[in-house]
Amino acid sequence: EAGVAQSPRYKIIEKRQSVAFWCNPISGHATLYWYQQILGQGPKLLIQFQNNGVVDDSQLPKDRFSAERLKGVDSTLKIQPAKLEDSAVYLCASSLAQGPYEQYFGPGTRLTVT
Amino acid sequence: GQQLNQSPQSMFIQEGEDVSMNCTSSSIFNTWLWYKQDPGEGPVLLIALYKAGELTSNGRLTAQFGITRKDSFLNISASIPSDVGIYFCAGPNTGNQFYFGTGTSLTVIP
Repeated sequence: EAGVAQSPRYKIIEKRQSVAFWCNPISGHATLYWYQQILGQGPKLLIQFQNNGVVDDSQLPKDRFSAERLKGVDSTLKIQPAKLEDSAVYLCASSLAQGPYEQYFGPGTRLTVT
Repeated sequence: GQQLNQSPQSMFIQEGEDVSMNCTSSSIFNTWLWYKQDPGEGPVLLIALYKAGELTSNGRLTAQFGITRKDSFLNISASIPSDVGIYFCAGPNTGNQFYFGTGTSLTVIP
């Protein structure tokens, strides 16, 4: 069974530029999560989708971050415009069921904003 | 915001020793999950706990869901070099908001 795929693995941009990350969850997984992990900290949930609907986006900075999951499969996370403090690893995870059940994580995208 | 505090922050142990770490919250959690993260990888689920007082094992790993529902513990017996990594507790609070802990970094010295 293929795992969660993410791309790109690394991205370097200048502040005020835009960037997008892509995630393909495990086949059949209805729930998809995006996390931000700043160096030395635990992952912070940004947004959770159940199929193509948003379940929780309470910690998503909506003035600059947006995410979508069209057709309930792939998802993209966008930052526009980026700030220096957005430098982090962005992790995507998926699970079969909604809730705190087994989440399978992708390798992440490391973003550096200069 | 919600904070899950893990202690110790880091550990340096000899191969073969046992390891204990814990996670505490200021509020009640419905589920406790323990993850391990290797450098450059996403976290991998080790153990899931769903009931207060529950004690669950996965090989050399044993975790417990605290009776107060505000803490959890992870023990690793007879550590080996591949146990190196960062261990995170995680879970949803009663508002179903999901949080990860601050992490415990484990180094095993051969």
